[in-house]
Amino acid sequence: DAGVIQSPRHEVTEMGQEVTLRCKPISGHDYLFWYRQTMMRGLELLIYFNNNVPIDDSGMPEDRFSAKMPNASFSTLKIQPSEPRDSAVYFCASSTDATTGELFFGEGSRLTVL
Amino acid sequence: GQQVMQIPQYQHVQEGEDFTTYCNSSTTLSNIQWYKQRPGGHPVFLIQLVKSGEVKKQKRLTFQFGEAKKNSSLHITATQTTDVGTYFCAGPTSGSRLTFGEGTQLTVNP
Repeated sequence: DAGVIQSPRHEVTEMGQEVTLRCKPISGHDYLFWYRQTMMRGLELLIYFNNNVPIDDSGMPEDRFSAKMPNASFSTLKIQPSEPRDSAVYFCASSTDATTGELFFGEGSRLTVL
Repeated sequence: GQQVMQIPQYQHVQEGEDFTTYCNSSTTLSNIQWYKQRPGGHPVFLIQLVKSGEVKKQKRLTFQFGEAKKNSSLHITATQTTDVGTYFCAGPTSGSRLTFGEGTQLTVNP
């Protein structure tokens, strides 16, 4: 298996622009997670899905952030409009369980908002 | 709310010295996981502990889960330059969220 695949690896955009991050989980994993990593706040769980259904989105910062999982092999995290404070590395991870399964992380999408 | 706290935040050692990072939770954890993130990389799963007082070893790494299941530690014996990275613990909080500690960034001087 190719593992969790994220795109783009790097994104530089200007404040106010829309950003879409993409993730393909490992086949057969029912759980998909979006994490954000910054120096100040560490690894934060933004949202996770079970069988394509959002289960816990309490970590989503505000209405500018939205996430979808239209099918078992694809998820998106969208920021609209983007702000400089959204600059971070966004990781997608998949697993067979919410809290007891090993998380397999993608290589991350490094976002810089100017 | 429930938190998973980790200390120290940074640790600098000479190659060959030992290293320990500690993880503490305000509540009892059903399990705890450890991850390693190399500089510029992504977190990679190391191990999961489930039982009270559990001790597991992986070569030079020893993982412990406290008797009360509120704390855990990772000990590396005789560090090597390949051990460089940030080590995170993670535990389930608020029912079904896996929360990561702040991580301990380890640097090893050759």
